[in-house]
Amino acid sequence: SQELEQSPQSLIVQEGKNLTINCTSSKTLYGLYWYKQKYGEGLIFLMMLQKGGEEKSHEKITAKLDEKKQQSSLHITASQPSHAGIYLCGADLSGGGADGLTFGKGTHLIIQP
Amino acid sequence: NAGVTQTPKFRILKIGQSMTLQCAQDMNHNYMYWYRQDPGMGLKLIYYSVGAGITDKGEVPNGYNVSRSTTEDFPLRLELAAPSQTSVYFCASSNPLGPLYEQYFGPGTRLTVT
Repeated sequence: SQELEQSPQSLIVQEGKNLTINCTSSKTLYGLYWYKQKYGEGLIFLMMLQKGGEEKSHEKITAKLDEKKQQSSLHITASQPSHAGIYLCGADLSGGGADGLTFGKGTHLIIQP
Repeated sequence: NAGVTQTPKFRILKIGQSMTLQCAQDMNHNYMYWYRQDPGMGLKLIYYSVGAGITDKGEVPNGYNVSRSTTEDFPLRLELAAPSQTSVYFCASSNPLGPLYEQYFGPGTRLTVT
């Protein structure tokens, strides 16, 4: 079974609308990372959350980590065409930090004009 | 800073051939990683290294080998390529002492084995 579940798998949103992507784990999220990937390109770091209840924002994107540190959400306000792409959550599930991240399968976001 | 660089960008291999995917970073990061991304899937960790001379297996190491002779370079070797190794390969590096412990990713190498 997938250790990190992302939902939805794909999302089509009209330009200007808000949207939310979720990332859920059965294990404690010692660190939760959100990345954006444009088709055929590398990963762009968006935000990292570590503390339960933490919330970070950058421009129109807000990420939250729940108090139990098992679920994170990424919220985009007033979506724009530039937000289109694949959003990936990655997690440090071991707490050690060195042995890489576990990733969800990604959410494909399409913005309709 | 160039960040994390990967070569080649694309490669087609025949079954049974070997090749080395190159990865270099100029940020003096101790930690480096190799991931593969299959269509519709997230990234899976192949190998990682916490410093020169130290490497360890990740989730999917079979069919691959790595070495880390310098801090900057972390090549991934494919021996006897198989169709199951068709994927996009990403190298990443991080600084565990940095404020965010962010993993910086290279642009990827798209490999097809036929």
